[in-house]
Amino acid sequence: KAGVTQTPRYLIKTRGQQVTLSCSPISGHRSVSWYQQTPGQGLQFLFEYFSETQRNKGNFPGRFSGRQFSNSRSEMNVSTLELGDSALYLCASSLSADTQYFGPGTRLTVL
Amino acid sequence: SQKIEQNSEALNIQEGKTATLTCNYTNYSPAYLQWYRQDPGRGPVFLLLIRENEKEKRKERLKVTFDTTLKQSLFHITASQPADSATYLCALGNSGGYQKVTFGTGTKLQVIP
Repeated sequence: KAGVTQTPRYLIKTRGQQVTLSCSPISGHRSVSWYQQTPGQGLQFLFEYFSETQRNKGNFPGRFSGRQFSNSRSEMNVSTLELGDSALYLCASSLSADTQYFGPGTRLTVL
Repeated sequence: SQKIEQNSEALNIQEGKTATLTCNYTNYSPAYLQWYRQDPGRGPVFLLLIRENEKEKRKERLKVTFDTTLKQSLFHITASQPADSATYLCALGNSGGYQKVTFGTGTKLQVIP
């Protein structure tokens, strides 16, 4: 089975721009979670989607949003980018509630 | 607020020895605890899960203990190898079937040949 894929792998944007990241979960997995990872804060939960519905949300501003499609693929969007948004964005898919499989991440750099 | 603490300093050990990593938490009653391995530039890889009613779990050279009274988990790698060098993350999960996991900041393990 193919693993979780994320595109693009690397992205450079400037402040004020917006960005959309994509995640394709493992086939059959309906839950997709997004995390932000920075050296200072570690892995922080953004949100989780299941069957196109957001089930859980972390403590991030409204500039961070996401959605899930009927084929379980998910996208996350960050609007009005700030320097502090530079991070590794990780997507994880799961079949059961207690095991997640992570993708390789998208490295976002905001200049 | 919920807090998960892992040794922020790197752990250096000699090849062949047992590495022991610690995960402490406060203001949390997790239904389960997970351990992940993360290599530079890659996503975390799930290693082991232990539930609140379990004391110990083993998988090959890995052993995890979970003490809900002490609010602590220990992660052991026996007969460590240089290939075990990575950052190890602990994560706490809630009950209810929803996927909301809180991660610690990780401990970097370096196994010296």
